[in-house]
Amino acid sequence: RKEVEQDPGPFNVPEGATVAFNCTYSNSASQSFFWYRQDCRKEPKLLMSVYSSGNEDGRFTAQLNRASQYISLLIRDSKLSDSATYLCVVNAPAGKSTFGDGTTLTVKP
Amino acid sequence: DAGVIQSPRHEVTEMGQEVTLRCKPISGHDYLFWYRQTMMRGLELLIYFNNNVPIDDSGMPEDRFSAKMPNASFSTLKIQPSEPRDSAVYFCASKGRGYGYTFGSGTRLTVV
Repeated sequence: RKEVEQDPGPFNVPEGATVAFNCTYSNSASQSFFWYRQDCRKEPKLLMSVYSSGNEDGRFTAQLNRASQYISLLIRDSKLSDSATYLCVVNAPAGKSTFGDGTTLTVKP
Repeated sequence: DAGVIQSPRHEVTEMGQEVTLRCKPISGHDYLFWYRQTMMRGLELLIYFNNNVPIDDSGMPEDRFSAKMPNASFSTLKIQPSEPRDSAVYFCASKGRGYGYTFGSGTRLTVV
């Protein structure tokens, strides 16, 4: 079993739709969590951190469920520009991070 | 802030040649990571440094790969000799305490 698992998708949604991705992790000692966005042929870029209490940034909401060991990303009112691959990142103690393989989202007109 | 700077952006080389990839992390970041990304294997951690010291190199594929960080502002990843299966995008990333990664733009390596 992989340390961090994501549904690879692809998720194909119309503009304006709400879409959610989940990411599960196996190391219960994991300390911090992030969502990254990667556009085609570009580097991954930090989208948002994930806090225990849940956090929101505009149309994006991230949540953490430590008991079930997963994090989620919700995108509301999706835009064409949201089309990308979304990577979850789980940080273990001592600085080591593990990336999921990513979930591909395509938003269509 | 110039971000993480990698060079070259693209590299095409013949099998058997030595390849050196370079990275300048963000000033003040104490972690530096080298990743490789391919369609088949996704993003793979090769090695990471903390305060210039290699901490975990278990992801380095084999002895043909080596990485150094002689000071806080520079790191290299060397492949010698290179093989076609090394073709990938190589990313360098740096991280400060408590923050997420900042990636460089990557080096797209093609070994023919």
